[in-house]
Amino acid sequence: DGGITQSPKYLFRKEGQNVTLSCEQNLNHDAMYWYRQDPGQGLRLIYYSQIVNDFQKGDIAEGYSVSREKKESFPLTVTSAQKNPTAFYLCASSPQLSYSNQPQHFGDGTRLSIL
Amino acid sequence: SQQGEEDPQALSIQEGENATMNCSYKTSINNLQWYRQNSGRGLVHLILIRSNEREKHSGRLRVTLDTSKKSSSLLITASRAADTASYFCATDAGGYDKVIFGPGTSLSVIP
Repeated sequence: DGGITQSPKYLFRKEGQNVTLSCEQNLNHDAMYWYRQDPGQGLRLIYYSQIVNDFQKGDIAEGYSVSREKKESFPLTVTSAQKNPTAFYLCASSPQLSYSNQPQHFGDGTRLSIL
Repeated sequence: SQQGEEDPQALSIQEGENATMNCSYKTSINNLQWYRQNSGRGLVHLILIRSNEREKHSGRLRVTLDTSKKSSSLLITASRAADTASYFCATDAGGYDKVIFGPGTSLSVIP
């Protein structure tokens, strides 16, 4: 079955450490996205990518970085500059970037906590 | 301020009853989507309704859109315990290729 795989499911970050969240899709989608979800809140867009080797900042990109070297993969690095990283991180994809008129497909998330 | 906001924040009903959730938004839209999120999982797309549509059905789900009131509703008929989840509306901001999610409605269906 096609889908999006996020790993790990749980991740702990030490002070001053960078951590990388993995997102892989086999849906052959061009567009991929990273969202952050805090308790009781909606999703906030961190970064998005419409094609390999291209990505754009979303609403809350500070303290995060991404790469898109392969169509299938869109890893997110939470850097030490992100002072409040504890959240649920969701990766999504859609066939093209014009995703206001396309459903997004989501992975099952990574829950990041500070040690 | 949020483009889309769901109401109520939380809803608890008995199995078999209908559940209605509302979404209000501020600026004009091209499309509105509804998603479901089970606890600790990713979001699952339910329905997309375009601005020129007034109603759409999918199984036990019925979505309405009133662009004059800038609001949408999601009705789940004959609810089941498995419908327990959070439900989010997502809108575009009219002219922007961007989806904005509301804070969600938490639905509990009691067996």
